[in-house]
Amino acid sequence: NAGVTQTPKFRILKIGQSMTLQCTQDMNHNYMYWYRQDPGMGLKLIYYSVGAGITDKGEVPNGYNVSRSTTEDFPLRLELAAPSQTSVYFCASRTGRGTDTQYFGPGTRLTVL
Amino acid sequence: AQSVAQPEDQVNVAEGNPLTVKCTYSVSGNPYLFWYVQYPNRGLQFLLKYITGDNLVKGSYGFEAEFNKSQTSFHLKKPSALVSDSALYFCAVRDTGQAGTALIFGKGTTLSVSS
Repeated sequence: NAGVTQTPKFRILKIGQSMTLQCTQDMNHNYMYWYRQDPGMGLKLIYYSVGAGITDKGEVPNGYNVSRSTTEDFPLRLELAAPSQTSVYFCASRTGRGTDTQYFGPGTRLTVL
Repeated sequence: AQSVAQPEDQVNVAEGNPLTVKCTYSVSGNPYLFWYVQYPNRGLQFLLKYITGDNLVKGSYGFEAEFNKSQTSFHLKKPSALVSDSALYFCAVRDTGQAGTALIFGKGTTLSVSS
């Protein structure tokens, strides 16, 4: 079982560059999430999706965009990278039913210089 | 606003001793509470959750957590710590006020178990 997979594992960007962080889950989960983790700050929600074609902003959406064209994939787009976006990014998913558990991918470590 | 607090940045225990990692929460309505563990350079792994029922919840790797409604706490415990338990631990609560019902996380507590 692959679960939630993320690519790339590491990336260094220059200020102003763009990139897409990929996230795929093979559990047929309806709900998917993007979080960022900064040292000593816990995880903050960037965007979420409750199904294909439906996305919405979380707590810290500025500088990011998402799309959800299929149940499996939930890519996160950074359009103009800034040093403040240096962080570790985690994708997560769950069925969306009742009291189910959220499962996380291994993360992408992004550095913007 | 719903929130989670982990009052200790770091907890140090000796191998074989009991450990407690503290968590308090603030929610409207019934809380859905979770503990996750993160090993270095890895993703978050689910340990256990409280939804309803028994106040003592048992989870993976010998961990358990005690839900206390009057104290709004959900402390993580283990009777006998192992060096391999050393990791970053996150307490989280489901945000039932948001359509996606995402998790709200505490800042994390680093557990260090010495041999």
